[in-house]
Amino acid sequence: SQTIHQWPATLVQPVGSPLSLECTVEGTSNPNLYWYRQAAGRGLQLLFYSVGIGQISSEVPQNLSASRPQDRQFILSSKKLLLSDSGFYLCAWSVGRRYGYTFGSGTRLTVV
Amino acid sequence: KNEVEQSPQNLTAQEGEFITINCSYSVGISALHWLQQHPGGGIVSLFMLSSGKKKHGRLIATINIQEKHSSLHITASHPRDSAVYICAVSLSGGGADGLTFGKGTHLIIQP
Repeated sequence: SQTIHQWPATLVQPVGSPLSLECTVEGTSNPNLYWYRQAAGRGLQLLFYSVGIGQISSEVPQNLSASRPQDRQFILSSKKLLLSDSGFYLCAWSVGRRYGYTFGSGTRLTVV
Repeated sequence: KNEVEQSPQNLTAQEGEFITINCSYSVGISALHWLQQHPGGGIVSLFMLSSGKKKHGRLIATINIQEKHSSLHITASHPRDSAVYICAVSLSGGGADGLTFGKGTHLIIQP
């Protein structure tokens, strides 16, 4: 069966520190992978998506970057966190627009 | 104007009541999704619709493509239904550029 793993679940980081969030998918090949963010009091917003290894599309200019070093691994990074990077980060996968999405359990990031 | 609008933003009801949450969208879509987010933040996909109506247990989702409107109904509501319900759409056309989300409806069912 297909599963998605996302870690860590909770993270508190100081301003200016680096960030690395990881998401891995099992049970499927060549999935479309997504990073979403939910800021406090706001809806989910697409940050990055990837249709294959090394292929990253960015939706919103920001202090973050994403990488896909392996088919089923998607990493969200920052070199220097800002207070505004605080929020709930969700990874998801799908095999296409006409199909459903499966979401990870999320990472709650607080930048202090 | 947001591409996906949900109403109401907040809803408190008594156990057993019939619940309706509405979603309107202003763009062409290939599918509409109803998602459930519990207090811990994890999101579960409830329905994916491109036409008509779907039912799963006490949950019913309908969509009217011409009117660009969808509703999520909960029959015989229960406190465990308390969660944030999110409407999201997959835009029409090719590509893999994810979902566009509404801001969610925060539902509380009181015993």
